[in-house]
Amino acid sequence: DAGVIQSPRHEVTEMGQEVTLRCKLISGHNSLFWYRQTMMRGLELLIYFNNNVPIDDSGMPEDRFSAKMPNASFSTLKIQPSEPRDSAVYFCASRTGPSGELFFGEGSRLTVL
Amino acid sequence: GNSVTQMEGPVTLSEEAFLTINCTYTATGYPSLFWYVQYPGEGLQLLLKATKADDKGSNKGFEATYRKETTSFHLEKGSVQVSDSAVYFCALSKAGGGADGLTFGKGTHLIIQP
Repeated sequence: DAGVIQSPRHEVTEMGQEVTLRCKLISGHNSLFWYRQTMMRGLELLIYFNNNVPIDDSGMPEDRFSAKMPNASFSTLKIQPSEPRDSAVYFCASRTGPSGELFFGEGSRLTVL
Repeated sequence: GNSVTQMEGPVTLSEEAFLTINCTYTATGYPSLFWYVQYPGEGLQLLLKATKADDKGSNKGFEATYRKETTSFHLEKGSVQVSDSAVYFCALSKAGGGADGLTFGKGTHLIIQP
């Protein structure tokens, strides 16, 4: 079975540009999480969805960040406009239920110059 | 709120040494506890978990025991290998479950030298 699939794996962009990160959940999973990983702050939960509905977005750093889940198997995380401090590895993860194991994608490494 | 504290890294050991990575947590009630491992260039993978006090999670020679009295979930392995070199994350989920994310520690980078 395919795992969680993220794209792009690497993105280099200039400050002010729009960035869109994509995530495909494992088939049958109904919860989706976006995390950001940096050396300074470790892993931070940005937002999570349950059955396509955003449940908690309190981790989203500011209005420049937005996330959507247009269907049960796909999600996007958008940063507009991007800033150098957004440089990080962004992970999405999915699971089947409230106590199921979290399965992580391989991450999208974002560098904003 | 919930929080997880791990020992600072990097931790450098020789092959076949005994490993302990400390993890303590702050949470209300009885959360579930996890250890995840991240190999270079990859996402996190579940290593082991424990869902109630005194439970012991184990996998691939690693063990951790849920200690409610000390709010700890220390990771141990009797004889480490070079292939165990990775970053290890301790995490907890909210007591009673629920569709929430995990709270992670900052990670401990483990380096095993031949």
